[in-house]
Amino acid sequence: QQQVKQSPQSLIVQKGGISIINCAYENTAFDYFPWYQQFPGKGPALLIAIRPDVSEKKEGRFTISFNKSAKQFSLHIMDSQPGDSATYFCAASTTSGTYKYIFGTGTRLKVLA
Amino acid sequence: DGGITQSPKYLFRKEGQNVTLSCEQNLNHDAMYWYRQDPGQGLRLIYYSQIVNDFQKGDIAEGYSVSREKKESFPLTVTSAQKNPTAFYLCASTPGVGRNQETQYFGPGTRLLVL
Repeated sequence: QQQVKQSPQSLIVQKGGISIINCAYENTAFDYFPWYQQFPGKGPALLIAIRPDVSEKKEGRFTISFNKSAKQFSLHIMDSQPGDSATYFCAASTTSGTYKYIFGTGTRLKVLA
Repeated sequence: DGGITQSPKYLFRKEGQNVTLSCEQNLNHDAMYWYRQDPGQGLRLIYYSQIVNDFQKGDIAEGYSVSREKKESFPLTVTSAQKNPTAFYLCASTPGVGRNQETQYFGPGTRLLVL
């Protein structure tokens, strides 16, 4: 019940295309869902996050779609660029107490020039 | 510059040796975390601390130890009991209060290799 399942494991997209990464969770107590971007040999950096009171959040080319009833959320990268090539992790957490995150297993994105 | 620093960037461990990874933050964050990252397995929580002089085990604490004597410092020791220590180790912190209280901010990581 504590798992966050992330798919696909890897993704190849043409420059200018849309990249879509999906995550699913079981624990209905989760109420904070961040996405992190990680470049090789670096620490993850927060990209965008959503709370379950909204169904969508957009920041620039990055959008999170959230489906509370299905317990799923996804990251959409519009107009994907070669500089977006990185590993993306979704996570889930409760906002009370310890703020422990449960991370997905990551998606390696490659955007072809 | 505010942030999280980890040192060293690379660390080599011999069989039977304990090694300590440093994590320092000047963000005045209350909570700190240690993760282990292996290829294809995401980030797994080793230990976390919400306040000074207190810490809790995460999902994979066996073979590791920590201390939290100062708010800004949370060192991780990889003991000889950890039989497969080769991994990328990440330290993180959260403010605990305010607008982004639950956001985890990560350091640059330490890669541990076994000789």
